[in-house]
Amino acid sequence: EADIYQTPRYLVIGTGKKITLECSQTMGHDKMYWYQQDPGMELHLIHYSYGVNSTEKGDLSSESTVSRIRTEHFPLTLESARPSHTSQYLCASSEYSRQGEDIQYFGAGTRLSVL
Amino acid sequence: LAKTTQPISMDSYEGQEVNITCSHNNIATNDYITWYQQFPSQGPRFIIQGYKTKVTNEVASLFIPADRKSSTLSLPRVSLSDTAVYYCLVAQGSYIPTFGRGTSLIVHP
Repeated sequence: EADIYQTPRYLVIGTGKKITLECSQTMGHDKMYWYQQDPGMELHLIHYSYGVNSTEKGDLSSESTVSRIRTEHFPLTLESARPSHTSQYLCASSEYSRQGEDIQYFGAGTRLSVL
Repeated sequence: LAKTTQPISMDSYEGQEVNITCSHNNIATNDYITWYQQFPSQGPRFIIQGYKTKVTNEVASLFIPADRKSSTLSLPRVSLSDTAVYYCLVAQGSYIPTFGRGTSLIVHP
């Protein structure tokens, strides 16, 4: 089983607040991802990282930012939260297997509500 | 990047075998096919992965024809707890795969 942790699980905040969603993995995986998903809708990749000091934007434009200073840690920050940011945020990590394919391991997610 | 196409939804009954087919017409030589399962309010979970022919594990089987332009996830004797969304991904190496909308499977009593 994968060891990837997200905190908090649930967060309710007011508009304009700065928030950071935490994601940590203990597997030593190089690649990490952030997805955004609304209930019943598809997953949208918003950020990913190939390793330390690497960050890339995903398919879905997002006002959030990420950092990757340590292999195990990939936090996501919203400088000024708005109601449109209300969603579930899922963090994942992956590594290459011997054959070169990736298997992503997901955290439990953070459900964010911005009032 | 290989794009995948799956049915939006499927219905089944407890005890039946369910087959979900994914089309990936422009799959590349080095691409692998990976299936994930997602329950509501949880992150997706890896089910099975294959490159060609047939792969089987304790949860499912994956059938891949010789041309690799499609693949079929087979769930034997489904139960209510198999109600979930199933995603087919095609990727290799440094490419970032796209999850898409997946197939929503509903298992009825």
